[in-house]
Amino acid sequence: SQTIHQWPATLVQPVGSPLSLECTVEGTSNPNLYWYRQAAGRGLQLLFYSVGIGQISSEVPQNLSASRPQDRQFILSSKKLLLSDSGFYLCAWSGSYEQYFGPGTRLTVT
Amino acid sequence: GQNIDQPTEMTATEGAIVQINCTYQTSGFNGLFWYQQHAGEAPTFLSYNVLDGLEEKGRFSSFLSRSKGYSYLLLKELQMKDSASYLCAVDGGATNKLIFGTGTLLAVQP
Repeated sequence: SQTIHQWPATLVQPVGSPLSLECTVEGTSNPNLYWYRQAAGRGLQLLFYSVGIGQISSEVPQNLSASRPQDRQFILSSKKLLLSDSGFYLCAWSGSYEQYFGPGTRLTVT
Repeated sequence: GQNIDQPTEMTATEGAIVQINCTYQTSGFNGLFWYQQHAGEAPTFLSYNVLDGLEEKGRFSSFLSRSKGYSYLLLKELQMKDSASYLCAVDGGATNKLIFGTGTLLAVQP
């Protein structure tokens, strides 16, 4: 069966510091991968999606970036965090139609 | 533009039936999804509708009318553990990109 991992689970970072969140998927090959952000009391906002290694599409302009160095690895990064980057970051994968979410990383920028 | 509307909050009684509505306006349509999200956790997949009609899965059913841009999630025999946010999402067509509504927070009372 397929499993999706994210780490860390929680993170507190100062404004201006860098960020690296990692997501890995097990049990499937060539999945579509997604990064979402959910601000407090808000819906899920799609940040990036990837259909293959090295293929990244950005949905919204921001100071975040994503990379897919391996088939089942998806990384979300920032060089300098802003206060507005705080939120719940979710990685997801899809095979056929539905998307399955990882456990998420709760990021607080102070 | 892309727009998905659902009520912000609903309250229901344990053992009762509740219907959560969702209306959508999207440029493309490849299916509609319902997810359940408990506080502080990742969303979990509940249902998928791509054709008009009712899909039943145990206590949960989901209905779709593509001509009306309308769906609902029906929860029967409500239990306290059903207290959660219910997210409506539409697959806009390309690469399984989901557009999410802001979610309906359901409170089940004894």
